[in-house]
Amino acid sequence: GAGVSQSPSNKVTEKGKDVELRCDPISGHTALYWYRQSLGQGLEFLIYFQGNSAPDKSGLPSDRFSAERTGGSVSTLTIQRTQQEDSAVYLCASSTFSYEQYFGPGTRLTVT
Amino acid sequence: RKEVEQDPGPFNVPEGATVAFNCTYSNSASQSFFWYRQDCRKEPKLLMSVYSSGNEDGRFTAQLNRASQYISLLIRDSKLSDSATYLCVVNTGRRALTFGSGTRLQVQP
Repeated sequence: GAGVSQSPSNKVTEKGKDVELRCDPISGHTALYWYRQSLGQGLEFLIYFQGNSAPDKSGLPSDRFSAERTGGSVSTLTIQRTQQEDSAVYLCASSTFSYEQYFGPGTRLTVT
Repeated sequence: RKEVEQDPGPFNVPEGATVAFNCTYSNSASQSFFWYRQDCRKEPKLLMSVYSSGNEDGRFTAQLNRASQYISLLIRDSKLSDSATYLCVVNTGRRALTFGSGTRLQVQP
């Protein structure tokens, strides 16, 4: 079946602009996660959605970052007033209650 | 102390060798454990879950030691294609999952 998809695959933006990153999870997966990974670094947790529960936003690095998940499916991560330090690969993953996460290919964000 | 700690490596081994990675976790209440594999500039992919009784999948064996709070991954008969970064992942219960920084494996011909 279809895996997790993310769009765009690459995004180059100017400092100060807003960006939206999209994630389509695997159908039927109740949990959705956003991470980011800077070059050569480990995964940094950003936000976690589980069903209809309030999201765990504890990993968001600043109030410029926000995320929504509409209808329990598609999620959008928004970064306002982008900074150069926001440059990274943004990864989305989804899972069932088993916690086995399946990742999308990521969006490579470059802030110039 | 980090929630999940791994030796970053790199582990350089010849083809056919057996190699083992350990990972320690700090939260004794952790319940779910996984190994993921990440190739360069690719997304992480689930390699295997780690069960209390240990589990094996072909050349890969995972073990859990709750008393000492570590999990291990053993790779037998290493292939060139096993070269990757191996991520130890733990469900700490506080948030979804916590990823270790990864152990890099380079299998050489």
